[in-house]
Amino acid sequence: AQSVTQLDSHVSVSEGTPVLLRCNYSSSYSPSLFWYVQHPNKGLQLLLKYTSAATLVKGINGFEAEFKKSETSFHLTKPSAHMSDAAEYFCVVTPTGGGNKLTFGTGTQLKVEL
Amino acid sequence: GAVVSQHPSRVICKSGTSVKIECRSLDFQATTMFWYRQFPKQSLMLMATSNEGSKATYEQGVEKDKFLINHASLTLSTLTVTSAHPEDSSFYICSARTSGGTGELFFGEGSRLTVL
Repeated sequence: AQSVTQLDSHVSVSEGTPVLLRCNYSSSYSPSLFWYVQHPNKGLQLLLKYTSAATLVKGINGFEAEFKKSETSFHLTKPSAHMSDAAEYFCVVTPTGGGNKLTFGTGTQLKVEL
Repeated sequence: GAVVSQHPSRVICKSGTSVKIECRSLDFQATTMFWYRQFPKQSLMLMATSNEGSKATYEQGVEKDKFLINHASLTLSTLTVTSAHPEDSSFYICSARTSGGTGELFFGEGSRLTVL
């Protein structure tokens, strides 16, 4: 079994300040973890993924995430928020090796203010 | 990256009619496609897994006679919402996996269905 918990449903930051979106997971096997971003009325775009290689993963648009097995966490960070980062972010877990079962977190709505 | 296209992006229909949504992989072949449903301000829920040339695998609680899935080619899967009702109004998203089993998943831009 696997599950994902996104600890914050809404996060609000000022433009130019750091972003932290939290994600904890549980998995019976070695997981692959992903962060996706969804802009309003759009599909999902992959930001980054962890698949048992380096624990610090760099993604697009300046985002990165660190896989911490001891804390079962995969938090998403960005040093400096931009207005265009305002969107919904989903943390996703799947068994390593692929498989069809993606488990989505409930999402975190990121708001970026001037 | 690979491109997955959904059509239509928005559709409004009357209660009792059927609506077909198409999902195409534009620059790769997808033996497996997935259909998700997203309610407002909620996460995505997997509805079914669509396999080219065979029957779709539906998740528990999803009515296969209500949501007909056809995956007739390696680049096209369709979802037909039959005898639609207002409670079927939702955002439907498809995704497709590039070949190789562990291929990356790419998502379509979604189709917003409104049933009056």
